[in-house]
Amino acid sequence: AQSVSQHNHHVILSEAASLELGCNYSYGGTVNLFWYVQYPGQHLQLLLKYFSGDPLVKGIKGFEAEFIKSKFSFNLRKPSVQWSDTAEYFCAVRRAGTASKLTFGTGTRLQVTL
Amino acid sequence: EPEVTQTPSHQVTQMGQEVILRCVPISNHLYFYWYRQILGQKVEFLVSFYNNEISEKSEIFDDQFSVERPDGSNFTLKIRSTKLEDSAMYFCASTREPGPGAFFGQGTRLTVV
Repeated sequence: AQSVSQHNHHVILSEAASLELGCNYSYGGTVNLFWYVQYPGQHLQLLLKYFSGDPLVKGIKGFEAEFIKSKFSFNLRKPSVQWSDTAEYFCAVRRAGTASKLTFGTGTRLQVTL
Repeated sequence: EPEVTQTPSHQVTQMGQEVILRCVPISNHLYFYWYRQILGQKVEFLVSFYNNEISEKSEIFDDQFSVERPDGSNFTLKIRSTKLEDSAMYFCASTREPGPGAFFGQGTRLTVV
């Protein structure tokens, strides 16, 4: 069974600081990887996804993530955060090439201060 | 932009009562899911549904839970006899094909008292 670990539970940054949120997964086969964001009071929205190819993927709102297969990691980055990035961020994994369930990490609450 | 819609946004029910959570997936989607998130915990998979049958379910999805797509547009989750520990945010999601990530609804907050 797959599992996802997000080690940063709560991150507080000032505006313009750089962001990196860690995500590690465990699964014996090929995976698809996702980052979702949940703004306060809103639904989960897809930020970016990795299926294959270039391990550096770019998503919406200036976010990017790098898949490092040897480390089973898919860390989320943003060079300069904004106050509007305050949200909860979830990493998720799924068996590749399927419509099977997403397995989520516990989430990281990002708080950006002015 | 098409979206998954869920109703109600908040439901309060007494322990032992039946509840039905409703979802309208995006119209041309074929795969449907329910997830839940207990306050302060991670989002957990409950069940997936494809071609009018359950394709996968978690250990959480016991006999108290059922899903239905009664009319080709709605996708419902029924909890037969609610328990206090069923209190959570329930998310519906859908996708057209295995490729893209699923689109999520805004959730229904279920409070069992």
